[in-house]
Amino acid sequence: DGGITQSPKYLFRKEGQNVTLSCEQNLNHDAMYWYRQDPGQGLRLIYYSQIVNDFQKGDIAEGYSVSREKKESFPLTVTSAQKNPTAFYLCASSPGTGNNSPLHFGNGTRLTVT
Amino acid sequence: AQTVTQSQPEMSVQEAETVTLSCTYDTSENNYYLFWYKQPPSRQMILVIRQEAYKQQNATENRFSVNFQKAAKSFSLKISDSQLGDTAMYFCAFMKLSGGSNYKLTFGKGTLLTVNP
Repeated sequence: DGGITQSPKYLFRKEGQNVTLSCEQNLNHDAMYWYRQDPGQGLRLIYYSQIVNDFQKGDIAEGYSVSREKKESFPLTVTSAQKNPTAFYLCASSPGTGNNSPLHFGNGTRLTVT
Repeated sequence: AQTVTQSQPEMSVQEAETVTLSCTYDTSENNYYLFWYKQPPSRQMILVIRQEAYKQQNATENRFSVNFQKAAKSFSLKISDSQLGDTAMYFCAFMKLSGGSNYKLTFGKGTLLTVNP
């Protein structure tokens, strides 16, 4: 069963701690993305990666970091520098090979920082 | 940079009726794709319909169809015979196909659609 797995579904952290959100895909997609969703804000792009060992900042990258050491994995670290980390985080992937394939999304991780 | 505007934060419709959600976008690109995604209470993002900018014919998927007006930069979604399961947040999204940022989607802020029995 191909798809994107985000874990955990809910995550709680204390302010000042870094936290890493997991995203794994078995679709053999080249491109992967992280979006943040806040009420009334839609989805905003944090980071994306079009190929292994390469990634680019999206629109709201400050306070976040990523790595892309394997094709199937694209973890997102929310650092203590992120001022408002509480949000719903969505990971997505696409073939990224010049066609119109839409993004496939995971089920999301709800992060709460107190 | 591209922007996507959904001017209706919330809408409601009676079951079996038709509803239209609006979306406008701003871009200087000529080659791009447009999408509508649905996010039900489960929060899973589900692709509803897509439209290639170079195609004049409006896309349709069963009860879902779009009205794509390229000159006006408008991309509305029509849902016919609304069903209770259509209750969800609907997002309009834009994807450009040139330059170094291919394949990333820019989303509108969403329209919350409620289908009433």
